[in-house]
Amino acid sequence: EAQVTQNPRYLITVTGKKLTVTCSQNMNHEYMSWYRQDPGLGLRQIYYSMNVEVTDKGDVPEGYKVSRKEKRNFPLILESPSPNQTSLYFCASSSTRTGSPLHFGNGTRLTVT
Amino acid sequence: GQSLEQPSEVTAVEGAIVQINCTYQTSGFYGLSWYQQHDGGAPTFLSYNALDGLEETGRFSSFLSRSDSYGYLLLQELQMKDSASYFCAVRTLAGKSTFGDGTTLTVKP
Repeated sequence: EAQVTQNPRYLITVTGKKLTVTCSQNMNHEYMSWYRQDPGLGLRQIYYSMNVEVTDKGDVPEGYKVSRKEKRNFPLILESPSPNQTSLYFCASSSTRTGSPLHFGNGTRLTVT
Repeated sequence: GQSLEQPSEVTAVEGAIVQINCTYQTSGFYGLSWYQQHDGGAPTFLSYNALDGLEETGRFSSFLSRSDSYGYLLLQELQMKDSASYFCAVRTLAGKSTFGDGTTLTVKP
């Protein structure tokens, strides 16, 4: 089944403790992206990648890192999480960087205390 | 930068037709997409317009006017299960994507 898999689904952590949220897609998509969603707001793009070893900042990249060493994986790294990074995170992929639909993972609900 | 404006809430009754508008400001515009999201779930793709005009997919249609930087999503024969949030989104040639803040649609019996 074609899908985007994120892990974990839920994560509670403390300020400053490094964490990684994994994202993997099995559709051979070139484009992958991370978003955060806060109550009452749309999805805000954190980082995106148009291919292996190519990553770019979205609208809210501060406090996050990403890497794209393989086509299928696009992990999101929070080196020193802070409470303002408490949010619902979504990973998405698409076959092209422009018009093809974004396929979303099921989300990771992160709480930083 | 890029920005999108859409109404925050819309209410309609079962069987009715509802239109959700979206205006955008963006550089490097490539196309306008629409996504549906049920409470806390993953957004799912509904429709996409790169060119002016109407795209129809079953009960859902989407329209784009590039000259007016405007689009809308039309939902026909509303069902209770259509109660959800609807987001318009733009992507640029550079790969950046921006979503509107979403429109919460409530369908009443």
